[in-house]
Amino acid sequence: DAGVIQSPRHEVTEMGQEVTLRCKPISGHNSLFWYRQTMMRGLELLIYFNNNVPIDDSGMPEDRFSAKMPNASFSTLKIQPSEPRDSAVYFCASSSQGGVYGYTFGSGTRLTVV
Amino acid sequence: DQQVKQNSPSLSVQEGRISILNCDYTNSMFDYFLWYKKYPAEGPTFLISISSIKDKNEDGRFTVFLNKSAKHLSLHIVPSQPGDSAVYFCAANAGKSTFGDGTTLTVKP
Repeated sequence: DAGVIQSPRHEVTEMGQEVTLRCKPISGHNSLFWYRQTMMRGLELLIYFNNNVPIDDSGMPEDRFSAKMPNASFSTLKIQPSEPRDSAVYFCASSSQGGVYGYTFGSGTRLTVV
Repeated sequence: DQQVKQNSPSLSVQEGRISILNCDYTNSMFDYFLWYKKYPAEGPTFLISISSIKDKNEDGRFTVFLNKSAKHLSLHIVPSQPGDSAVYFCAANAGKSTFGDGTTLTVKP
């Protein structure tokens, strides 16, 4: 398995533009997580899905953020409109068995909003 | 309110010596705890975990200790190697994982 695959690796966009981050979880994993890492707030959970259903989106900063998981092999995180304070590294992770054996993280997408 | 805290931002040890990384938590509902290692430009990698019903779990050079009464866990790396130099995150799970801010470990040759 190639692991959790995120795209793009880097994204630079102008304030006000729409940004879409993509994630392909590990096949067979039934949970998917979106985390954001910043210097100020560390690694914070934005949203997670179990069996493609959003379970907890309490970490989503505001309505500009949305996430979907249309099937077991794909998820997107969309920011519209983007703002400079959204600049961060966004990680996608997946797990099985409730995450007892940990999450498998992707390499992240470094987003810069100018 | 930060539920998982790693109070030491950095730690430096000599190769061959023991590295001890610490983590404190506040939520009694956490049912297991995990440690991850992170290299630059990569995502965190799962290292070792421990259930709340245990007080120790060992995997090779890595041992995690859990003190529930003190709401404290620690990761011991013995012996430390230069390749262990990375950021180490503690995480606590109650349906979802909450991460500490990380400790940067530097192992000097």
